Amino acid sequence: QITLKESGPTLVKPTQTLTLTCTFSGFSLSTFGVGVGWIRQPPGKALEWLALIYWNDDKRYTPSLKSRLTITKDTPKNQVVLTMTNVDPVDTATYFCVGGRGFDYWGQGTLVTVSS
Amino acid sequence: DIVMTQTPLSSPVTLGQPASISCRSSQSLVHSDGNTYLTWFQQRPGQPPRLLIYKISDRFSGVPDRFSGSGAGTDFTLKISRVEAEDVGVYYCMQATQFPRTFGQGTKVEIK
Repeated sequence: QITLKESGPTLVKPTQTLTLTCTFSGFSLSTFGVGVGWIRQPPGKALEWLALIYWNDDKRYTPSLKSRLTITKDTPKNQVVLTMTNVDPVDTATYFCVGGRGFDYWGQGTLVTVSS
Repeated sequence: DIVMTQTPLSSPVTLGQPASISCRSSQSLVHSDGNTYLTWFQQRPGQPPRLLIYKISDRFSGVPDRFSGSGAGTDFTLKISRVEAEDVGVYYCMQATQFPRTFGQGTKVEIK
């Protein structure tokens, strides 16, 4: 059974750095072709892809946020971490972790509110 | 970036009747490897999205066969042959041919 779970703060102040962790089970990030990524969804709005890291440590970012995002993996721990610097209220959203060969599996998501 | 445009944005459907959602991309989604990476997701109310269809028409594990995908190039369609109550939600198309991955605005399917 494949599961993914997001963890991190629910409230972050503007200008702070947000760190989110995805802990997964049922697959390995050392397997050829596998990736884990992050997608967010502001309240009542559409999905937005943020970042993706592959089994071979290839990393991809959405261009509009690339300067603020870092994605890393800890393969033995089955974890992927996303950091977003200098957050703003517009970054308020539910952040989803996704994994597999093509966004096959999703976590439940974690709502992050950016507010002073 | 490839822009994904879905129509309609809202689709009231009678139970047992078919539903159809269109997705158009701003450029061809044919990858250099010959595949077309057009994906459909379903998001039920209060739930995370789940993968329905990948590479235009391949149903993901456990997806009922009343869901089908078709299309080519820049024009794609998701069809539900007979809508059931559990199909209520928002449907998104997404292209995975190029980075950045991009989603459509979503189409809300609701029961009349």
